[in-house]
Amino acid sequence: DAKTTQPTSMDCAEGRAANLPCNHSTISGNEYVYWYRQIHSQGPQYIIHGLKNNETNEMASLIITEDRKSSTLILPHATLRDTAVYYCIVIIQGAQKLVFGQGTRLTINP
Amino acid sequence: GAVVSQHPSRVICKSGTSVKIECRSLDFQATTMFWYRQFPKKSLMLMATSNEGSKATYEQGVEKDKFLINHASLTLSTLTVTSAHPEDSSFYICSARGPLRTEAFFGQGTRLTVV
Repeated sequence: DAKTTQPTSMDCAEGRAANLPCNHSTISGNEYVYWYRQIHSQGPQYIIHGLKNNETNEMASLIITEDRKSSTLILPHATLRDTAVYYCIVIIQGAQKLVFGQGTRLTINP
Repeated sequence: GAVVSQHPSRVICKSGTSVKIECRSLDFQATTMFWYRQFPKKSLMLMATSNEGSKATYEQGVEKDKFLINHASLTLSTLTVTSAHPEDSSFYICSARGPLRTEAFFGQGTRLTVV
């Protein structure tokens, strides 16, 4: 599976858009980009995933560059409850391993 | 999203005893389940992957005789920590994925404390 690189930590003001980057320069054609987040002392929560096209759901938007070597998760109006560790994972469908990197610790400030 | 229930959420056990953690997919059939452990302020560490009806595949360094994984049905997987020691104290998390979904869903985690 392709490795991902994320900033260790980020801060964002409440009510603003939080943009979390992820580099996956070695991604292959059949690998998807997945985002999860983990709020303290809870299990991770699925956010969104995509292959080539940008995706949007009720939680977030996922912007994937045309060369697919990087992506950005956007939380359009961050709230204090969005404070969590956000993980970007690149895997093929049906992968037998779901491995987490170190993620980005996002802190939303009032 | 789909619901994965993990039980118990917290358990304290004595050194030398065994502890079983259950992971259930409530509204979908989980053909694949993943088990993780997590130490404070660290990322999730994959312990093993199990497919329904098959033996689990353990990651390097994870003792299969100590961490027994059973995935006998499409809605239930169990992790048994045998002969627990204080160093086994950790946060254990399960994840389940169905045949028609690409994303995996996670349980709420089990905090195990061995005294």
